[in-house]
Amino acid sequence: AQSVAQPEDQVNVAEGNPLTVKCTYSVSGNPYLFWYVQYPNRGLQFLLKYITGDNLVKGSYGFEAEFNKSQTSFHLKKPSALVSDSALYFCAVRDYGSGAGSYQLTFGKGTKLSVIP
Amino acid sequence: ETGVTQTPRHLVMGMTNKKSLKCEQHLGHNAMYWYKQSAKKPLELMFVYNFKEQTENNSVPSRFSPECPNSSHLFLHLHTLQPEDSALYLCASSQVGDGGAEAFFGQGTRLTVV
Repeated sequence: AQSVAQPEDQVNVAEGNPLTVKCTYSVSGNPYLFWYVQYPNRGLQFLLKYITGDNLVKGSYGFEAEFNKSQTSFHLKKPSALVSDSALYFCAVRDYGSGAGSYQLTFGKGTKLSVIP
Repeated sequence: ETGVTQTPRHLVMGMTNKKSLKCEQHLGHNAMYWYKQSAKKPLELMFVYNFKEQTENNSVPSRFSPECPNSSHLFLHLHTLQPEDSALYLCASSQVGDGGAEAFFGQGTRLTVV
């Protein structure tokens, strides 16, 4: 079975400061990891993903995430937060190669990011 | 726009009504999904269709009835709903067979049951 944990319900950060939104995962095979952002009353928008290769992946709007296999983590980061980054962020995992046959994404419960002017 | 279109965007219905949610994807994907997003609860996967065949039904009550007439269209038929069914219903699509493929989501239908 695959699962995702986002330990923080809310993260507050001052505009211009670096931000981190945490995510840990559990899979029996190899993880494919994703970050999505959701603005109020909108669907989820894809930000970035880790499939293989470099542990640091870069995505939309200046976001990046670091895959850490030993810590089973995939934290989302941005060097300088903007007020417009305020939204709900979801981490997701797909367990690939375990033979479980599951191809859908499992999402974390989401972290609300508030960037304070 | 993500290539996944949901209609209507907002729906208010009584508990005895019958209504349908529609989803259409223009991405050539072969899998489509319905998710339910309630306040203060994780995103819940409801149904999965792979090449028009339903492959997942995560213990969803029978008052929700999905239909997938082709790989581009997905419906969610609603009847005799309860107030606790009020939520944002999200449709998504992806390409099965490409394990690294992300899912693309529609804007959602905000459903209110009165």
